[in-house]
Amino acid sequence: QQQVKQSPQSLIVQKGGISIINCAYENTAFDYFPWYQQFPGKGPALLIAIRPDVSEKKEGRFTISFNKSAKQFSLHIMDSQPGDSATYFCAALNNAGNMLTFGGGTRLMVKP
Amino acid sequence: DAGVTQSPTHLIKTRGQQVTLRCSPISGHKSVSWYQQVLGQGPQFIFQYYEKEERGRGNFPDRFSARQFPNYSSELNVNALLLGDSALYLCASSLSAYEKLFFGSGTQLSVL
Repeated sequence: QQQVKQSPQSLIVQKGGISIINCAYENTAFDYFPWYQQFPGKGPALLIAIRPDVSEKKEGRFTISFNKSAKQFSLHIMDSQPGDSATYFCAALNNAGNMLTFGGGTRLMVKP
Repeated sequence: DAGVTQSPTHLIKTRGQQVTLRCSPISGHKSVSWYQQVLGQGPQFIFQYYEKEERGRGNFPDRFSARQFPNYSSELNVNALLLGDSALYLCASSLSAYEKLFFGSGTQLSVL
């Protein structure tokens, strides 16, 4: 039962381009939406997160856009760099604050 | 400061055996969560412990159990191993149940 659906599964972007990853959720009991970056052999690391009362959040080159009515949110990586090549996961935290539900992941490759 | 540390980093077991995975949270963090990440998929929630009490359990069989010690370190036990238990097991810690999670690099378990 996948409650957070992520697309695309893989993405290739040229250096300097914009990477866009989309997620959709089904459970309205989620109230915190983080994005994680994972390099091979490492655990996920928190990139940026948003709460549903905000429509957009920007931190450096990373921006989350959130559409509460559509139950969708997306990650935009501006000026993508080869060092951004990694797997990205969206996630949603339940109201109890004790369980993250992750999307299936997007493997991003930024070509130099 | 040290991050979340997990041991061992790699483990090979045979079907039917039992395994214990260990996690030391970031100093000061009282909450520990366990996630299972199958190759090519997003992490799946197994347990959360806060102040040595189980605060959440994911959709995993009773073969999976965990505990948290007075120093907030934690162990994950899996009995009667199946081939399908082969995965990266991630431990994450946070200051409290609602704070952002910091993941360790995981224990790669292979069941033959």
